Amino acid sequence: DVKVTQSSRYLVKRTGEKVFLECVQDMDHENMFWYRQDPGLGLRLIYFSYDVKMKEKGDIPEGYSVSREKKERFSLILESASTNQTSMYLCASSTPSSGGRGEQFFGPGTRLTVL
Amino acid sequence: AQSVTQPDIHITVSEGASLELRCNYSYGATPYLFWYVQSPGQGLQLLLKYFSGDTLVQGIKGFEAEFKRSQSSFNLRKPSVHWSDAAEYFCAVGAGDSSYKLIFGSGTRLLVRP
Repeated sequence: DVKVTQSSRYLVKRTGEKVFLECVQDMDHENMFWYRQDPGLGLRLIYFSYDVKMKEKGDIPEGYSVSREKKERFSLILESASTNQTSMYLCASSTPSSGGRGEQFFGPGTRLTVL
Repeated sequence: AQSVTQPDIHITVSEGASLELRCNYSYGATPYLFWYVQSPGQGLQLLLKYFSGDTLVQGIKGFEAEFKRSQSSFNLRKPSVHWSDAAEYFCAVGAGDSSYKLIFGSGTRLLVRP
């Protein structure tokens, strides 16, 4: 059974802290994505990665960075957490072998609260 | 640029009633279209997808969707809703470039009356 896992389901951090959200997939997928989900706004893409050590900005990269040192792992980093980064964070992966059709597989999400 | 519109923020139906969730997309070429479902506190699960061919697509959990190019729509339907279908539903379109990105609608929350 294919799986995307995220390191925490719930996380509470303080303003100014450095926050790491980890995502691991066991499907040998090349592409990985980080989204944030807020009510009424759907999913917004923060960053994505085509390959190890490759990264591309999505629609809302400000305040975030990412790291992909191994194919199966994609980390989202909040350098200095702020209250407006309180949100649900979703990780996803996909493979180019689907012909660019883009079907993505999602993890369960991390609900981050920044106080 | 590609975009997806889900005009209904909330929909309430009675258990056993039929359901249709609307999705309109903006895309120049033949789109790759998806419907995902998100149960409370969970990630997204793929319900069905359209790439080409038959415009009526069957998915899991008894859902189907019909691609209508003339209307730029990909509406999701189910003939008889179950209480367990209460969730949020997202329509998405493939960006169609080499990025393999998906563009998501803002979602429709389905409430089911007993």
